[in-house]
Order: sequence, then structure tokens, then C-alpha cells
Amino acid sequence: DTEVTQTPKHLVMGMTNKKSLKCEQHMGHRAMYWYKQKAKKPPELMFVYSYEKLSINESVPSRFSPECPNSSLLNLHLHALQPEDSALYLCASSQVGGTEAFFGQGTRLTVV
Amino acid sequence: DQQVKQNSPSLSVQEGRISILNCDYTNSMFDYFLWYKKYPAEGPTFLISISSIKDKNEDGRFTVFLNKSAKHLSLHIVPSQPGDSAVYFCAASAGNYQLIWGAGTKLIIKP
Repeated sequence: DTEVTQTPKHLVMGMTNKKSLKCEQHMGHRAMYWYKQKAKKPPELMFVYSYEKLSINESVPSRFSPECPNSSLLNLHLHALQPEDSALYLCASSQVGGTEAFFGQGTRLTVV
Repeated sequence: DQQVKQNSPSLSVQEGRISILNCDYTNSMFDYFLWYKKYPAEGPTFLISISSIKDKNEDGRFTVFLNKSAKHLSLHIVPSQPGDSAVYFCAASAGNYQLIWGAGTKLIIKP
């Protein structure tokens, strides 16, 4: 059982849609991450939140908008995505300053 | 410029034997190394890690060895089991939440 839960597991959206990915962790971690993973590639870091504040944005396009409402929740708001944004989106959490990140099961996103 | 390299895209091992997965790195500032296991369409699962001040860390069937002078680490799985079939990623950290990932090695355990 993963202690980092992501919803939905699968999402198909059109290029004009607005949708949100959700992540919840019950590990007491204060650092949370969004990663993007394409097939046969390693995960790519998108955003890092530390103590609910955005600390790293890896030059991600503004059509991806992260939000951290509290220490357990992390959202990724999606708007006007492109087909090339189709990927597995992974949420992770860790201790602040820690390196062992624990991942959720991911959301498989398809943009049509 | 790949700072973390896993040169074997795939590895096939007989069940019960030892699996050895290798990883090389170029940045001497890396101070922590991790191995993750990933099944298709799932998130990576943390397996084992090692600090640069150690040369070995063991957890059950999994042992990671670090050779700092060679900038090389390896993951040993013994004995290998069918459930170990997955893609294994090596990752390195120099702090600040950034993990630098290798390209992954697909491990296939043959019955």
C-alpha cells in the first residue's frame, strides 16, 4: 500500500479543458514534488514544495499550475495542454532536506 | 551531458541467481545515491540508498556497493525472484531536492 495517493489514475482531456490532478500523503513529510515521466525515460522534476511553499520550478510552462493547500495535499492544475504533455504524472513526498522520495502510483494523462 | 549512467538497458538473470545492476556517475559532488524499482504504469518504489561516506549498505536481499574512486555503484539482488522483474533506476543527489536519474535498466528474471 502506497502512502502517497494520487487521483485520478487515468485522465483524458481535450486541449481546451481545465482539469486538476490531486495528491495526498500521510507520511508527515513537509516536502512534496511533481514529476513527469515519459515512456522508457526517467522521471523529470517539475515542482518542489517545502513547508507548503514553492521552492523549485524547473522552468515548467505556465499551463501547469501547482498548488499546495496544506502539508498533506498537492494539486496540479492543467489548462490548455498540448498532446505532447501526455505522460505519467507522479507525485512524491520526502522529509525536508531528505533525499528518499516516496512516490504515488501516478496519473496517466492523455491530451487529445 | 548524462551525469548518471546506467549502461545496460536490460539484464536477464535466472531465478535464484544474483542480479547485479550497475550505475556510473561523473559529478563528485553527489553525496547520496538511491535505487528505485518501477513496474509499468506505476510510480517508482524506493529500494535502498547509500551515503557517500559509506561503501556498502544492505537491506534483506538488496545490497548497494559504492566505489567513490571509480564513481561507480552497483545493486546486488540475491537470490533473484520473479517479482524482481522491473525497471531499476539509479539516482544521485547533491542536495536541494534534486535527484539526477539514470536511464534505467530493465531486469528480467527467468524461471
